[in-house]
Amino acid sequence: SQTIHQWPATLVQPVGSPLSLECTVEGTSNPNLYWYRQAAGRGLQLLFYSVGIGQISSEVPQNLSASRPQDRQFILSSKKLLLSDSGFYLCAWSRTTGTGGGHRETQYFGPGTRLLVL
Amino acid sequence: GESVGLHLPTLSVQEGDNSIINCAYSNSASDYFIWYKQESGKGPQFIIDIRSNMDKRQGQRVTVLLNKTVKHLSLQIAATQPGDSAVYFCAEDSPLNEKLTFGTGTRLTIIP
Repeated sequence: SQTIHQWPATLVQPVGSPLSLECTVEGTSNPNLYWYRQAAGRGLQLLFYSVGIGQISSEVPQNLSASRPQDRQFILSSKKLLLSDSGFYLCAWSRTTGTGGGHRETQYFGPGTRLLVL
Repeated sequence: GESVGLHLPTLSVQEGDNSIINCAYSNSASDYFIWYKQESGKGPQFIIDIRSNMDKRQGQRVTVLLNKTVKHLSLQIAATQPGDSAVYFCAEDSPLNEKLTFGTGTRLTIIP
């Protein structure tokens, strides 16, 4: 069966510090990978998605970036955090449909990372 | 623009009763819909999905109904339990969007 991991689970960082959140998926190959942010009591905002190694699509221009150095690894980074970067960050994966984009399949979410920027 | 919305932001149901959570969508091209459950501090958990070639699909204690005529989706939970308390999100997908569009969520509270 497939599992998705995220770490750290919680993180408190000062404004201006760098960020690196990691997501890994087990039990599947060539998944589509996604990063979402969820503000408190709000819905999900798609930040980045990837259909393959080194392929990153950005949904929202901001001071965050994503990378996919390996097939089942997705990293969310920032060089300098802002207060507004606080939130609950969720990684998700889905199977590739082979039709491009691969968004038309169920997405399965990780446990999330709660980030507080002070 | 296209959107996925929910009729009620909160819903309280007596334990053992059935609950219905509603979701309206406006993209007539949407052909795939998913319901997620999110407990406090956790990631969303897949509950059930339905494609547009169906109007009903059943799982364990859950049923999703799709009315394409009025662009309405609902999640029915039978014999609710305290563990059903959570925020429920609907999501839609279409060949035009290239991504899932999530609703803002409904908070379901089960009253013991």
